[in-house]
Amino acid sequence: QVQLMQSGAELKKPGASVKVPCKASGYRFTSYGINWVRQAPGQGLVWVGWINPYNGNTHYAQKFEGRVSMTTDTSRSTAYMELRTLTSDDTAVYFCARVDYGDYDDYNYMDVWGNGTTVTVSS
Amino acid sequence: QTVVTQEPSFSVSPGGTVTLTCGLSSGSVSTSRFPSWYQQTPGQTPRTLIYSTNTLSSGVPDRFSGSILGNKAALTITGAQADDESDYYCVLYMGSGLWVFGGGTKLTVL
Repeated sequence: QVQLMQSGAELKKPGASVKVPCKASGYRFTSYGINWVRQAPGQGLVWVGWINPYNGNTHYAQKFEGRVSMTTDTSRSTAYMELRTLTSDDTAVYFCARVDYGDYDDYNYMDVWGNGTTVTVSS
Repeated sequence: QTVVTQEPSFSVSPGGTVTLTCGLSSGSVSTSRFPSWYQQTPGQTPRTLIYSTNTLSSGVPDRFSGSILGNKAALTITGAQADDESDYYCVLYMGSGLWVFGGGTKLTVL
């Protein structure tokens, strides 16, 4: 079945970087996009950015521009989100979600979600 | 900067009907923004409820429905149940690979 598998947790020091993987299975990886969404403790969901595994195109939320990079390894059906220069404000659960565009680009929504990776930034 | 607005909280009685809305800080929400709705209980992964304004995601009960009401997207729950008590998020697609989440509505069923 369609799944997005994420690792459980990462502990990082302020100023460090984190690279979060998201392994897809059960579908053709390059036919769907991947969104990254984060949720700080007690807060709402925030869109971080999008990558198209077919051609590597990306779009990042303005808030993270310059500090985030999204990549894919199509041979491993895995998407990655790297966030640099971490601060305590980056402590959050990071979800990946599959983007279904629809046959005629008429959907553009997130239909399958990973379980999330908890990133804790602390000295 | 685009801001998607949602009611911070709402309350509904068991069996009652509630409509949550999703607006834009500037402009109207139309079907061309492909509004989608997600349900999340604390500590859980979001669950997709509605996409493309009014299409029910697989496995979602039909007491959930989506629409455009005036200049906003809307999620209506008809016959609310106790386990509908959750946070609800609206998401709009702004084009060119850019999505925006609303701040979420905390729904209480009591």
